[in-house]
Amino acid sequence: QVQLVQSGAEVKRPGASVKVSCKTFGYSFNSYGITWVRQAPGQGLEWVAWISTYNGDTNFAQKFQDRVTMTTDTSTSTAYMELKDLTSDDTAVYYCATWLPPNSPLEYWGQGSLVIVSS
Amino acid sequence: QSVQTQSPSVSGAPGQRVTISCTGSDSSIGAGFDVHWYQQLPRAAPKLLIYDTNNRPSGVPDRFSGSRSGTSASLVISGLQADDEGIYYCQSYDISLRAAVFGGGTKLTVL
Repeated sequence: QVQLVQSGAEVKRPGASVKVSCKTFGYSFNSYGITWVRQAPGQGLEWVAWISTYNGDTNFAQKFQDRVTMTTDTSTSTAYMELKDLTSDDTAVYYCATWLPPNSPLEYWGQGSLVIVSS
Repeated sequence: QSVQTQSPSVSGAPGQRVTISCTGSDSSIGAGFDVHWYQQLPRAAPKLLIYDTNNRPSGVPDRFSGSRSGTSASLVISGLQADDEGIYYCQSYDISLRAAVFGGGTKLTVL
């Protein structure tokens, strides 16, 4: 069955970068794009960005445009999201999910990766 | 602040029916983009509950149903059960933002 398995929790200092991985199983990697959604403690879901696993096209929420980089490794069916210039406001659980914009649902989700930014 | 608006909480007794509403905009739900609903149980990742307004993925009981009208959508949960407790999010696409947009989430409490 389809599974998305994410990397473990990270603790980072303000100003640092974090790279989260999302390894996929059970489907053709090029069939869906990968999108990233975050959830700050006690808060709702916030869309971050999307990457096409077919041609590498990307799209970002405006607030993350300058700080997020997404890549994919088709040889391992893995997607990566790197967020730089971290502040305490970036403390959140980061989820990857499959998505084909604009109309498809976020069908399959990873388990989430907790990123804590603290001095 | 979420782009789509949901009431923060709703509650009902076991067996009852509750409705969760989601208000979007002319550039999202009102523009005809599909609406999807997710269920997030405590300490778990969100899970797709309803897609394309009123379709259920395999394994989701027919106690869950959805509808839409204009710039809004609704999720109805019938025959409430204790393990329905969690937070429910609507999601669509906003053509002006070129972004997926979520509602702020509605916390369901089963009394």
